[in-house]
Amino acid sequence: DSGVTQTPKHLITATGQRVTLRCSPRSGDLSVYWYQQSLDQGLQFLIQYYNGEERAKGNILERFSAQQFPDLHSELNLSSLELGDSALYFCASSPSDRGLDNEQFFGPGTRLTVL
Amino acid sequence: AQTVTQSQPEMSVQEAETVTLSCTYDTSESDYYLFWYKQPPSRQMILVIRQEAYKQQNATENRFSVNFQKAAKSFSLKISDSQLGDAAMYFCAYRSKGAQKLVFGQGTRLTINP
Repeated sequence: DSGVTQTPKHLITATGQRVTLRCSPRSGDLSVYWYQQSLDQGLQFLIQYYNGEERAKGNILERFSAQQFPDLHSELNLSSLELGDSALYFCASSPSDRGLDNEQFFGPGTRLTVL
Repeated sequence: AQTVTQSQPEMSVQEAETVTLSCTYDTSESDYYLFWYKQPPSRQMILVIRQEAYKQQNATENRFSVNFQKAAKSFSLKISDSQLGDAAMYFCAYRSKGAQKLVFGQGTRLTINP
């Protein structure tokens, strides 16, 4: 158990819908990262937040957005869902936003299926 | 942009034997970290081993060791005395000193034959 929690574990929805994925980082970690794992794109970095502020953006679609709240939990919002958004979405957390020795710990992931 | 390449989509090995998984990467930076992650059927991402680029000594964690060739930009994982529980997808990953994001390879599926 990494100490990072993600809810829900599974999510099944229809095209065009909107969903919210939730992540609680390890106690004391200030950075949260979101990754997408799909069959065709592999594991891709989406976005990073540090202490409530966006730090880095990867290949995140405009239909996707995220935020980190004052209690440091994070939410990833996916809207106008398409079949191709079906994937495993991981959240990871780390203590800081810099430095080589800033290990990321992964949550168990949320499996999203868009029908 | 940094890229990570794993050229072996699948590998298999007999239980108790040794197997080596390959990884190459491309970067213009001098300070960075390299990682091997294991993803078993449970889908949990588990850190296996990490290597700091400025350290010449290869990292070792019990039965897992790496062969880090900085000039060749190669970072292979050796698993000794393979066990059935080692069966999983293995991902090689890169993280730079500046950006914190992990850049992953496409993965290698490792099968252990009893």
